[in-house]
Amino acid sequence: GDSVTQMEGPVTLSEEAFLTINCTYTATGYPSLFWYVQYPGEGLQLLLKATKADDKGSNKGFEATYRKETTSFHLEKGSVQVSDSAVYFCALYSGGYQKVTFGTGTKLQVIP
Amino acid sequence: DVKVTQSSRYLVKRTGEKVFLECVQDMDHENMFWYRQDPGLGLRLIYFSYDVKMKEKGDIPEGYSVSREKKERFSLILESASTNQTSMYLCASSRGQGAVEQYFGPGTRLTVT
Repeated sequence: GDSVTQMEGPVTLSEEAFLTINCTYTATGYPSLFWYVQYPGEGLQLLLKATKADDKGSNKGFEATYRKETTSFHLEKGSVQVSDSAVYFCALYSGGYQKVTFGTGTKLQVIP
Repeated sequence: DVKVTQSSRYLVKRTGEKVFLECVQDMDHENMFWYRQDPGLGLRLIYFSYDVKMKEKGDIPEGYSVSREKKERFSLILESASTNQTSMYLCASSRGQGAVEQYFGPGTRLTVT
């Protein structure tokens, strides 16, 4: 079955540091890939997505590139802010009735 | 803006009680979902619905049931709550087919004592 593996957290960074959160996946066919973010006390919200190989999703300074050859979708940001502190979930959709498979989440804490 | 609302942010129930969690979305979405979120396990799908009165089991349906009598409302029912159902419950909705965004409610933190 489909699965998503994320790097374990928590990740603690200083403000303006470079961020990478690793995500790899296993799926049949050609899935679409997502990053969702959950701020404290809130539900998840879509951060970015990519629907085919070599696509790059980007939003709010975050980027992720769909790498079919390495089955990866790593999240990056060049300079994190305190307001980026949240839990980040990698997810995939491989067709059918909207069933999305989520990773376990990676907590990011950015300190001033 | 899409809005998904959940009936309670926090809920405390006793073992054996019947528990109803309500979710309402205001964007006429076809699909609705119930997840539970636990530390180290991420989000796990309990049930989803792609149309009124239609439901499909997710990965962990045991101990739960659902009801969707109206398009905008999707209810999760714990027939006899147990302590291992203490968790954060998230409702989500999405439109149509394909790789579309799911919109989440703020969650209900359920504690079963």
